[in-house]
Amino acid sequence: GEDVEQSLFLSVREGDSSVINCTYTDSSSTYLYWYKQEPGAGLQLLTYIFSNMDMKQDQRLTVLLNKKDKHLSLRIADTQTGDSAIYFCAEIRRGTDKLIFGTGTRLQVFP
Amino acid sequence: DTAVSQTPKYLVTQMGNDKSIKCEQNLGHDTMYWYKQDSKKFLKIMFSYNNKELIINETVPNRFSPKSPDKAHLNLHINSLELGDSAVYFCASSPGGGELFFGEGSRLTVL
Repeated sequence: GEDVEQSLFLSVREGDSSVINCTYTDSSSTYLYWYKQEPGAGLQLLTYIFSNMDMKQDQRLTVLLNKKDKHLSLRIADTQTGDSAIYFCAEIRRGTDKLIFGTGTRLQVFP
Repeated sequence: DTAVSQTPKYLVTQMGNDKSIKCEQNLGHDTMYWYKQDSKKFLKIMFSYNNKELIINETVPNRFSPKSPDKAHLNLHINSLELGDSAVYFCASSPGGGELFFGEGSRLTVL
């Protein structure tokens, strides 16, 4: 389909790991991105992965990329209450300059 | 010294009115965007400008008219507002690629 799909909600206990999944559409996307949106704020770039990589780790964040299945995931280790936000994956479609966002996953962290 | 600033932050108006949202960035980026975020948090690209030139114009009603007086500013004017225009409008700027810097959003409510 045309949409970049994500599950809508994820609820985790503080200290556990969170895994947010994304299915994107363009297998030739060069970079794939993860953005975070806190309540009442704009989006902030968290991390990105180049398409020739399978994995990228950045402190508590791990990005996994499965190009065959066009599947991207973001793992947050030791999830904190400050991680509660909406997380968006995004891709730039081939032949365009358009950054297309996924449907967003609302992460709720409870004590 | 906010990087991407939008005004106003909140806008409440009647159907049929005309309104404008202003955006300024002090990051020296060449590219600026307008995105619309609906009540379900879906983000859709509306317009993109590169160095004052329109490069992306999605299927947005022509009641929406962007204007870029210089590369640091991208304003959005909306004529004949409709109920369905109620949303949060985000301005963003970019040095290129998928790294976008977002403003805090302008929440438009049409009554």
